[in-house]
Formats: sequence, structure tokens, C-alpha cells
Amino acid sequence: KNEVEQSPQNLTAQEGEFITINCSYSVGISALHWLQQHPGGGIVSLFMLSSGKKKHGRLIATINIQEKHSSLHITASHPRDSAVYICAVGNQFYFGTGTSLTVIP
Amino acid sequence: NAGVTQTPKFQVLKTGQSMTLQCAQDMNHNSMYWYRQDPGMGLRLIYYSASEGTTDKGEVPNGYNVSRLNKREFSLRLESAAPSQTSVYFCASSESLGDTGELFFGEGSRLTVL
Repeated sequence: KNEVEQSPQNLTAQEGEFITINCSYSVGISALHWLQQHPGGGIVSLFMLSSGKKKHGRLIATINIQEKHSSLHITASHPRDSAVYICAVGNQFYFGTGTSLTVIP
Repeated sequence: NAGVTQTPKFQVLKTGQSMTLQCAQDMNHNSMYWYRQDPGMGLRLIYYSASEGTTDKGEVPNGYNVSRLNKREFSLRLESAAPSQTSVYFCASSESLGDTGELFFGEGSRLTVL
């Protein structure tokens, strides 16, 4: 069973492109988390959101609780955005399998 | 701030050997977690500790034991390692159990069991 589904699994973009990563979940939640895992392996939290939209720099996260869906957008993508992006939900956290993003100069 | 520190970063074991992964956080968090990450799969919860003195099984606890030594430290022990336990292990912490608190991760421990 997959409580969290992400799409696409892999994404290659040209520098400057607008990128969207999607996350759908099946469990009840209070908040959804977007995480970033760099090639070196470390995982950092990008966003925690329970409604609406949040923005940090070029990253925007939105959530629709009724539809159990969230999106992560990256505007004006840059090679340094290349990483795996992971969404997570639930009290002990269920994780998506991640979206591997490569941004080509 | 060191955040979440886990050791060792790399370890190679032979089948049947035992080892302990150590994790410590300096953020005064109540809840701590151990996850494993395997190719093609999301992070999966092995054990968690909602607060000092409590531990509970997660999704994949078989073959592992944990100890919440104090509020700062949460260790994961493999009593008799098996090749199926080859994985990258992450320790994480949050202020409290539940998805409304930010999750902080250690850098990961890559374990190979031969």
C-alpha cells in the first residue's frame, strides 16, 4: 500500500524552466512536508503546510486538503536545484519515493 | 548547532555480526525516529520514540532494537545483521510526535552487510 504517491519519478529540465512536482496522499493529515535530499544524501525540510500556499524564494508549495494533493513549484530553475524532492505526511511520517530532478545548464 | 548527529557514517558488517547506530540531537526535541532508505522505496519507519522513556515499532521493525537512552540520544541496534539490512539509515527528530512539527534529519549511515 502506498499512502503517498509522487509524480513524476524523474524530471529533467533546462535551466530557467518552471517545474512542478506533485504529491497525492490517502491518509488524514494535519500538515504535509516537502523535503529535499541532495546527491550527498542529506535531507532538509523545505516546507510544512496545512493549507493554502507557502513561498520561500523560488520555491512555492500548495496544498488542497479536500483533494489530498500538494504541489511543489520551482520558478526559474537552476542547476543547484538538482536533488530529490520528497513529500511526507502522517503522524510518524509516510514518505513518497521522491522525484529526482536534474536541471541542465 | 549540530542538530542531529548520527554515527558511524559508513559501516561494513558480515552476516551475523551486531552493531549499534548512535543518534543524538541537541534541539531538546521530544520525538525521535529511525528510518531506512532503500533504492526505489521511500523512507520507511523502523522505530520511533514519542518521548523520553517510550519506544514503539514502526513499519519495518524486524531485526532491530532501539534504546531511548535519554532525551538527547536514540540508538538503533542490529543484533544479528542480515544482507537484507543493507541500507542507508537516517535518524530524525521533531519537537513532538505528529506532522505539525518540522522534521530534522541526521546525515545518514550507510550500512553494508556481506
